[in-house]
Amino acid sequence: DQQVKQNSPSLSVQEGRISILNCDYTNSMFDYFLWYKKYPAEGPTFLISISSIKDKNEDGRFTVFLNKSAKHLSLHIVPSQPGDSAVYFCAARTLGGSQGNLIFGKGTKLSVKP
Amino acid sequence: DAGVIQSPRHEVTEMGQEVTLRCKPISGHNSLFWYRQTMMRGLELLIYFNNNVPIDDSGMPEDRFSAKMPNASFSTLKIQPSEPRDSAVYFCASQLGSNQPQHFGDGTRLSIL
Repeated sequence: DQQVKQNSPSLSVQEGRISILNCDYTNSMFDYFLWYKKYPAEGPTFLISISSIKDKNEDGRFTVFLNKSAKHLSLHIVPSQPGDSAVYFCAARTLGGSQGNLIFGKGTKLSVKP
Repeated sequence: DAGVIQSPRHEVTEMGQEVTLRCKPISGHNSLFWYRQTMMRGLELLIYFNNNVPIDDSGMPEDRFSAKMPNASFSTLKIQPSEPRDSAVYFCASQLGSNQPQHFGDGTRLSIL
């Protein structure tokens, strides 16, 4: 039973447009969420995070939105660049529980076309 | 700054053999994690250490898997005996503190024939 779901395995976007990657979760005890980016043959790289006490966190071209009532978060990349082409993983953690246990979604492969 | 270093990057071996994967965390990080990535199950946590002590090994699939962290700068994940279903990419990650993100190595791609 997946606690963190990324329902779109792939997404294709034109350079300069907005990329929106979505993530749903089922565990209401999650209170810290992260996005990682992964290039082929490399490990995941931390991108941006958000605590459940916030509904938005922004870092340059990347913004993460959290809707706790819907148990949904999204990552917006604007403007999208070809170098953003990678697999994006959503992850969630229960701060009060086993602090090391990040639960990952299965990822969404983003392709940004020039 | 050096990131998390894993070795080997690739390992191909025959079933029944012992496999040892190695990880050097980022200096100063006090938590270390071992993950396995497969197409079917995605990224799964196998075990994690805090200050060299195993905290949660509930993700270790069976007794054939074992992990050690003899000091703050080194950890191993062993599979003995290995089986074809163990074929996956194994990642190590380290973390400075519980409110900090985990930093991943580039993984070991393991193929058991």
